[in-house]
Amino acid sequence: GQQLNQSPQSMFIQEGEDVSMNCTSSSIFNTWLWYKQEPGEGPVLLIALYKAGELTSNGRLTAQFGITRKDSFLNISASIPSDVGIYFCAGPISSGSARQLTFGSGTQLTVLP
Amino acid sequence: NAGVTQTPKFQVLKTGQSMTLQCAQDMNHEYMSWYRQDPGMGLRLIHYSVGAGITDQGEVPNGYNVSRSTTEDFPLRLLSAAPSQTSVYFCASRGQGYNEKLFFGSGTQLSVL
Repeated sequence: GQQLNQSPQSMFIQEGEDVSMNCTSSSIFNTWLWYKQEPGEGPVLLIALYKAGELTSNGRLTAQFGITRKDSFLNISASIPSDVGIYFCAGPISSGSARQLTFGSGTQLTVLP
Repeated sequence: NAGVTQTPKFQVLKTGQSMTLQCAQDMNHEYMSWYRQDPGMGLRLIHYSVGAGITDQGEVPNGYNVSRSTTEDFPLRLLSAAPSQTSVYFCASRGQGYNEKLFFGSGTQLSVL
């Protein structure tokens, strides 16, 4: 079953505002990934985190790997209309013959002009 | 620069019909997988393959079959469609090794009436 709890479920913000979302788990993860899905498309990788405490940026996006290894955070600064989409956190779990990615339920972001 | 290609983009089926969702990748990736996306549920793994001739079940495999006869192709079959299989389906692939960076196709939106 799903192991990642993502919040908030949805956000409506004004253009120019900063955005914060997070992902928590009852299990320890050694890698955290953040994906963005635009309408009608598949998810695209934004940021990958590999070390507890790591802070990584990709343009206006910044993600952090929590110290406990049970959480991760994504921040978007100065939001713009093209930031609209669903943001997913993901982490690898060992299952069957390969490591799999399990995903959070997503944060739907709407940016109002 | 095709990456992961899924066809069709949209499909409507009647209950009991069968169909195959196609997926092809041109990145020589060993690992391929199928996810379904439902509102509020995130992405859930259906089946995956770690190489030609090898497939395994994911979190929600019931009602779906897969095969992997070549490295490039990983079709998903619905033998007898049910309304509960109405969803958006994504194919994804990645390379070997310690690399959880999945590349996704653009999805197939399936409705079963």
